[in-house]
Amino acid sequence: DSGVTQTPKHLITATGQRVTLRCSPRSGDLSVYWYQQSLDQGLQFLIQYYNGEERAKGNILERFSAQQFPDLHSELNLSSLELGDSALYFCASSVVGTRGLNTEAFFGQGTRLTVV
Amino acid sequence: GESVGLHLPTLSVQEGDNSIINCAYSNSASDYFIWYKQESGKGPQFIIDIRSNMDKRQGQRVTVLLNKTVKHLSLQIAATQPGDSAVYFCAGVRDNYGQNFVFGPGTRLSVLP
Repeated sequence: DSGVTQTPKHLITATGQRVTLRCSPRSGDLSVYWYQQSLDQGLQFLIQYYNGEERAKGNILERFSAQQFPDLHSELNLSSLELGDSALYFCASSVVGTRGLNTEAFFGQGTRLTVV
Repeated sequence: GESVGLHLPTLSVQEGDNSIINCAYSNSASDYFIWYKQESGKGPQFIIDIRSNMDKRQGQRVTVLLNKTVKHLSLQIAATQPGDSAVYFCAGVRDNYGQNFVFGPGTRLSVLP
């Protein structure tokens, strides 16, 4: 158990809908990272937050947004969903705020999103 | 941006043998490289990293080799065990850079009894 909690584990929704994925980082970790993993794209970095502020941005679509709350949990909002958005969405956390992934980051078990 | 890819999508090895998983990259701007292991139904787990100014780093049963001349890195697992069965990813990381890293698609390692 990495200590990073993601909910829900599974999500099935229709095209055009909006969903929110939630991540609770490890206790004491200030950085949260979001990733998308699909069969054809591998693991793609989406965005990083550190202590409530956006720290680094990757290949995140404009239809997607994220935020980190004062209690350090983070939410990833996906809107106007398309079939191609079906993927595993991972959250990772780390105690340091170095921009970009660092070796101390721990991953959650992911949310599997299926868009039908 | 950085392009990191893996030579082989699948690798099968006998239990007890050594495994070598390869990774090629196209951009030399990475400051370090990381190997991750992802077991079925789980998130990626850090294995080992190597700074771009090094050519070899050893961990417990794992060794990473970096050849900057040919832009290639490899992960060697000694005495492969059934618990090593997983997908292995490499990633190139740039310090303090926005779009900071790219993971390859992964190599599935299967350990045969």
